Parts: sequence; C-alpha cells; structure tokens
Amino acid sequence: GAGVSQSPRYKVAKRGQDVALRCDPISGHVSLFWYQQALGQGPEFLTYFQNEAQLDKSGLPSDRFFAERPEGSVSTLKIQRTQQEDSAVYLCASSLVSFGLGSYNSPLHFGNGTRLTVT
Amino acid sequence: DQQVKQNSPSLSVQEGRISILNCDYTNSMFDYFLWYKKYPAEGPTFLISISSIKDKNEDGRFTVFLNKSAKHLSLHIVPSQPGDSAVYFCAASYMEYGNKLVFGAGTILRVKS
Repeated sequence: GAGVSQSPRYKVAKRGQDVALRCDPISGHVSLFWYQQALGQGPEFLTYFQNEAQLDKSGLPSDRFFAERPEGSVSTLKIQRTQQEDSAVYLCASSLVSFGLGSYNSPLHFGNGTRLTVT
Repeated sequence: DQQVKQNSPSLSVQEGRISILNCDYTNSMFDYFLWYKKYPAEGPTFLISISSIKDKNEDGRFTVFLNKSAKHLSLHIVPSQPGDSAVYFCAASYMEYGNKLVFGAGTILRVKS
C-alpha cells in the first residue's frame, strides 16, 4: 500500500491478557519506529528497527513489552499481561533513512495507530 | 522532564487570519525541529522542518521560525483555512538521534469560518 498500515485499529483487552499489534511499513523503508501516545500527550518513542535489527529499545516501559521485525518488513509489538496503564494509542512509523544527516530529508511516515484499551 | 513544551493547549483563529503556534525546548543538543499535523483517528503527518543552521523555513502557507538563543520555535500559518483545524505537534531531534523524535504535547488549532 501507499502508507503505513496498522492493525487492529482498536483493541480491547482485559487486564492480564497478552496483545499483539501489527505494523506494515511503507515498502522499501529501512527504518521502523514504534511510539506510544497517551491521552492528551504527544507520541513517545518506544523502539527502533533498522531492517530486522532492533537497534534501540530504550523507550520500552517494561519487560512486558516486546517488538520484532524478523524479515525486515512487517513488525509486531507484543504486550504481555496488559495493565490499565498500557491503555494508549500505539503508533508505528517508517522512513527511508533514520540516522545521520540523511534522516533530515527522510521524515517519519506514521500509520493511523492502534488504540488499546485495557479494562 | 519535558524537553519539548507546547504551552498552549488550544488556539482559535478566524479564517483568513494568521495562526501562530509556539514551542519551547530545553535540550541544547537538539539541532533539527519538525512540525506534525494530526487529524482525529489518524496518525501524525509531517508538515515542515528546520535545521539549526537556519532561522526560517517556508513552504507555501507554512513558515517555521527558529530562535536558538531563546530555544524557541514557532509555526505560522497564513492565511488560516478551516481545513487547518487539527492538533499540531512540535518535535525535536539531533543528528545522532535521527528520527528518534521528542514530541511536545500538542496544540489544538481551530479555524473558524
């Protein structure tokens, strides 16, 4: 497709359930980011992939959060034993280049996000 | 510690007038700044950017101004249109961070016709 695609658009989980959120980046985009956006806040960085390599996971809030991109294309963000504080919109974004001067001409393209509600 | 701050949660402007959205940052290492626009139920879309070697960048109706000494940037929209009504996010980064952006909390812009 032409843009970043995320599924599902909405997910309701009971506390303690595991969830998996999918991201299809723009074809050919090397870099893939996951951001978390809480209500009334701006997006916050979670993790970053360059192709299949997860180069930065410093933003993942706990070890319950896990992300993968095994073939350097589709990515999955998994949250185990969901808690109410995990309720947020999870945004995936991709770009051609991510770091260095080249990134300044390669802005992030965001998907529409997955809204996760933990009850 | 909020490194990027948008102190105005909302702004209301008449159609045809100028909209000015403001953003302040605290990290002096930031050397690249962006504005993203977000409609409800959609992801943010890139609007305009500026690097720290410039103090102004213009793209059509949108101009971003950077004041490094004050650690302040602003987005001007002239003339404002009803379709500009959205949430505007300021974001910042530096070369080593690349697209690992730090976002402000956003400003809701309403353009009244």
